[in-house]
Amino acid sequence: DTGVSQDPRHKITKRGQNVTFRCDPISEHNRLYWYRQTLGQGPEFLTYFQNEAQLEKSRLLSDRFSAERPKGSFSTLEIQRTEQGDSAMYLCASSLVLAGGPSVRQETQYFGPGTRLLVL
Amino acid sequence: GENVEQHPSTLSVQEGDSAVIKCTYSDSASNYFPWYKQELGKGPQLIIDIRSNVGEKKDQRIAVTLNKTAKHFSLHITETQPEDSAVYFCAARGGGSYIPTFGRGTSLIVHP
Repeated sequence: DTGVSQDPRHKITKRGQNVTFRCDPISEHNRLYWYRQTLGQGPEFLTYFQNEAQLEKSRLLSDRFSAERPKGSFSTLEIQRTEQGDSAMYLCASSLVLAGGPSVRQETQYFGPGTRLLVL
Repeated sequence: GENVEQHPSTLSVQEGDSAVIKCTYSDSASNYFPWYKQELGKGPQLIIDIRSNVGEKKDQRIAVTLNKTAKHFSLHITETQPEDSAVYFCAARGGGSYIPTFGRGTSLIVHP
């Protein structure tokens, strides 16, 4: 399967603990996005990378959240000192944008299966 | 920023009927409108998208229409089947941004 993969699929943790999630994008994709989805809501943007550079962060991304994409391939999202309000599905998406190629209107994002986090 | 409203929140139909989900957006600069299907416990899967230079796009039983003047777009599913049951999300993106804004989703239930 060459789609976006995420690990783990489920995580239960106690309040105050740190958690780390991993996302492996579609192999040739240079853009990688993180979203958060709570029950009954659509995905909400957290941050995105172009190769290894983190280009934009949402106001939703508090100081307790950090994301990396060290080699421009897989990415990790870490949440420090988890709170019950962090309980959500964390989604990763990837896309391919060619330099000097099609405009932003041509970009399509493909989502992974998500990591469901429950903070007790 | 962009605001996307999606209706209805729940839609129940009989197998074989058509289903229509409607979305409105606020930013006239938006130029890309994808639709995603999300099954329980899974991530959203792109099912169809439309760009602002076309008014309608069809793929087998699924079609999307776009009215830029009114700033609304709709998903049409014909001959619904039980496996179409899922949550459907619309989204809007544009104005030079790579970040889509999603609607709150429509839970479609197709009764056999």
